[in-house]
Amino acid sequence: AQSVSQHNHHVILSEAASLELGCNYSYGGTVNLFWYVQYPGQHLQLLLKYFSGDPLVKGIKGFEAEFIKSKFSFNLRKPSVQWSDTAEYFCAVMGVDQGGKLIFGQGTELSVKP
Amino acid sequence: KAGVTQTPRYLIKTRGQQVTLSCSPISGHRSVSWYQQTPGQGLQFLFEYFSETQRNKGNFPGRFSGRQFSNSRSEMNVSTLELGDSALYLCASSLTKVQPLHFGNGTRLTVT
Repeated sequence: AQSVSQHNHHVILSEAASLELGCNYSYGGTVNLFWYVQYPGQHLQLLLKYFSGDPLVKGIKGFEAEFIKSKFSFNLRKPSVQWSDTAEYFCAVMGVDQGGKLIFGQGTELSVKP
Repeated sequence: KAGVTQTPRYLIKTRGQQVTLSCSPISGHRSVSWYQQTPGQGLQFLFEYFSETQRNKGNFPGRFSGRQFSNSRSEMNVSTLELGDSALYLCASSLTKVQPLHFGNGTRLTVT
């Protein structure tokens, strides 16, 4: 079955702390990988994507993610979070032959305390 | 460039009624997808259209249908509404088949 699992439902950090959000997927085929972010009251925005090549990808606002194919993982990291990073984060996969069909994880709510 | 535009933003309907939601993709984008977001089930794929053809369909009953027009605008229809259809319905567009999706703000549907 195709699925995406995010390890944490709710993460609470203080400003300047480091962040790592776990994401594992199950998919029988080649995938493209994404992290989306949803700030309070705003629409889903693309944070970063992996299609091929260097498994370490950099996104907006200092976020990065590493694709580890052998572990079916695509974890999101940020060395130092800010209060403005408070949002819900979604990991998603798309089969390369499945245009438009994203399979999302359940989301991780990140709360950053000033 | 204008983003993905969804109308209306909010809808309140009664059980048994039907509803039509509208989505205008980013100019030049030919792929339009629809998603349902609920607290319990999260984000779930409904269907995807490209050049007026449905290419992909999620695991939803036939009460959920959609279409895409020649200008790439899309509509989603839900017939015989049930209480469980209350959700945020998101539309997303992309330039080509596997490019990242750009999401709209959604239509909040409440079924009473």
